[in-house]
Amino acid sequence: EPEVTQTPSHQVTQMGQEVILRCVPISNHLYFYWYRQILGQKVEFLVSFYNNEISEKSEIFDDQFSVERPDGSNFTLKIRSTKLEDSAMYFCASSLAGESSYNEQFFGPGTRLTVL
Amino acid sequence: GEDVEQSLFLSVREGDSSVINCTYTDSSSTYLYWYKQEPGAGLQLLTYIFSNMDMKQDQRLTVLLNKKDKHLSLRIADTQTGDSAIYFCAEAKRGGSYIPTFGRGTSLIVHP
Repeated sequence: EPEVTQTPSHQVTQMGQEVILRCVPISNHLYFYWYRQILGQKVEFLVSFYNNEISEKSEIFDDQFSVERPDGSNFTLKIRSTKLEDSAMYFCASSLAGESSYNEQFFGPGTRLTVL
Repeated sequence: GEDVEQSLFLSVREGDSSVINCTYTDSSSTYLYWYKQEPGAGLQLLTYIFSNMDMKQDQRLTVLLNKKDKHLSLRIADTQTGDSAIYFCAEAKRGGSYIPTFGRGTSLIVHP
């Protein structure tokens, strides 16, 4: 059964460093998402991406964040200068449909980011 | 704004029924979801209900929606150890982008 994969499973970085979190969505899906969950808190939406551009973003997704689909398979989240408060589990998701109808989002297992 | 609340932990004995509760604030919510997350895995859509329904049953799972009280519950009959996971309640609405708003997740612990 197709699934969303994410690498690495755990990333440790120093404050101020750049990190890139990688995701491989399900191959025929068109919409891609990033969410994060700070330990003990809610899963929060960051950004959605369709047709090579951001379709929606939350207030969390500021200038420190960027997303890219560098090739036909990967979907990346870059944090330019990490802060302690960026420590969280980051989930990637993809869906076949998007805003115009109900869509089931398929989630990856997450990348745990620890900023020291 | 939207908010989804659920209790953090639930412990049940194997074979008993589990009931996980959730409340939400957005009365225009159209879809209400239950996701399951097993250790080391992503969130998996377990079931969902449209806001014009009161109940949905799917094998051992029963979803009840009280739209007046904005209360959603997930009942798992004959709970098994394999049901141990984190269960996330979420809501989304038509006319928006269907981006779900999640709760914190309820850790269900099933003990023998």
